[in-house]
Amino acid sequence: DTAVSQTPKYLVTQMGNDKSIKCEQNLGHDTMYWYKQDSKKFLKIMFSYNNKELIINETVPNRFSPKSPDKAHLNLHINSLELGDSAVYFCASRGLAAREQYFGPGTRLTVT
Amino acid sequence: SQQGEEDPQALSIQEGENATMNCSYKTSINNLQWYRQNSGRGLVHLILIRSNEREKHSGRLRVTLDTSKKSSSLLITASRAADTASYFCATAGANAGGTSYGKLTFGQGTILTVHP
Repeated sequence: DTAVSQTPKYLVTQMGNDKSIKCEQNLGHDTMYWYKQDSKKFLKIMFSYNNKELIINETVPNRFSPKSPDKAHLNLHINSLELGDSAVYFCASRGLAAREQYFGPGTRLTVT
Repeated sequence: SQQGEEDPQALSIQEGENATMNCSYKTSINNLQWYRQNSGRGLVHLILIRSNEREKHSGRLRVTLDTSKKSSSLLITASRAADTASYFCATAGANAGGTSYGKLTFGQGTILTVHP
């Protein structure tokens, strides 16, 4: 009965590879987010989708491309991975009338 | 520097003591939220305070907001070892309420350690 789930939990890959992280929420929420948490625990929003439409697109390299096939899923594809992409990536969701966000468990990406 | 800066960066206390964490921010807000992150886990929402509120309680949590000073504090009373975690404040901008999509700006957090 996990509310927001992410796969994989850990991802170790080499520079230059392309990888994807998947997120699913079963809360019926309309809005989903991707955040990046760096080694100093600073959490920064990357993207947000509302009902499959991109609504927030922060200053993120265009190697990062989110995709929302339906409002319950938001995936993150990263091309040409770089060392600086190593971080924990969190997916979150939010209901239309709510203010709080529900976070997934995170995906720890390590680029070697 | 970033919106939502917390202090202290780390706090170590004994079980039963109170823990106070502070958050400062720079721009006008619609609301301010506090989240907890246990080691290796996602963030969990604790409490939200709107810009027109000054104080809010939830169980052992008390949050205050001073919009004139652009600051908030989170008080955890009678702390327990299970409260050991990182605590983050997050702000939603003044035009981020209502029909907007809730962009939150997080601080770097306070690491709280409660010793049994």
